[in-house]
Amino acid sequence: DAGITQSPRYKITETGRQVTLMCHQTWSHSYMFWYRQDLGHGLRLIYYSAAADITDKGEVPDGYVVSRSKTENFPLTLESATRSQTSVYFCASSPSGGNQPQHFGDGTRLSIL
Amino acid sequence: DQQVKQNSPSLSVQEGRISILNCDYTNSMFDYFLWYKKYPAEGPTFLISISSIKDKNEDGRFTVFLNKSAKHLSLHIVPSQPGDSAVYFCAAIRNAGNMLTFGGGTRLMVKP
Repeated sequence: DAGITQSPRYKITETGRQVTLMCHQTWSHSYMFWYRQDLGHGLRLIYYSAAADITDKGEVPDGYVVSRSKTENFPLTLESATRSQTSVYFCASSPSGGNQPQHFGDGTRLSIL
Repeated sequence: DQQVKQNSPSLSVQEGRISILNCDYTNSMFDYFLWYKKYPAEGPTFLISISSIKDKNEDGRFTVFLNKSAKHLSLHIVPSQPGDSAVYFCAAIRNAGNMLTFGGGTRLMVKP
């Protein structure tokens, strides 16, 4: 089915570990985004990508790494996880960025112990 | 400093009545605004949007009003239904930008 899927849905890991969150979309949307949702902050943009091999920092990029070798995939890596990165992470995509509404995945709940 | 604020964390409304969700912003460069709705364990879904050149946009039971001078927008839901119970986020974007800035969300509870 067409859509945007995130995996895993839930992840528990320890501080200092590397963890990668996956995002896959089947719409061939050019733009993809990663957000984190924390109580009181709404959603905050971590990184986004306008196309394969083009990425840009968002509001809270520190501690995260992204790549986009294929249009449909946009993985987010925490190279050395910290407790402050415990959050719910959402991936989104849109056809052309700008004012175009973004379509969100169902999120990954990440707990770092 | 939050550039988009939703000052009411929660709102409770009786079924059939009007729900009014409010949002304030500080950045005068924002020129397009969106509302998203989120159910538990799901991602946000787009609901309605408005450009800064308009002061109202309507889609069925949902109407968004924009007051640029006050840097304020509101979402009206009439009539409210129990299925509208969710968290509502307002978001803003600058002209030619790609970065959405979200408010903290308002949890709406519509009681039967």
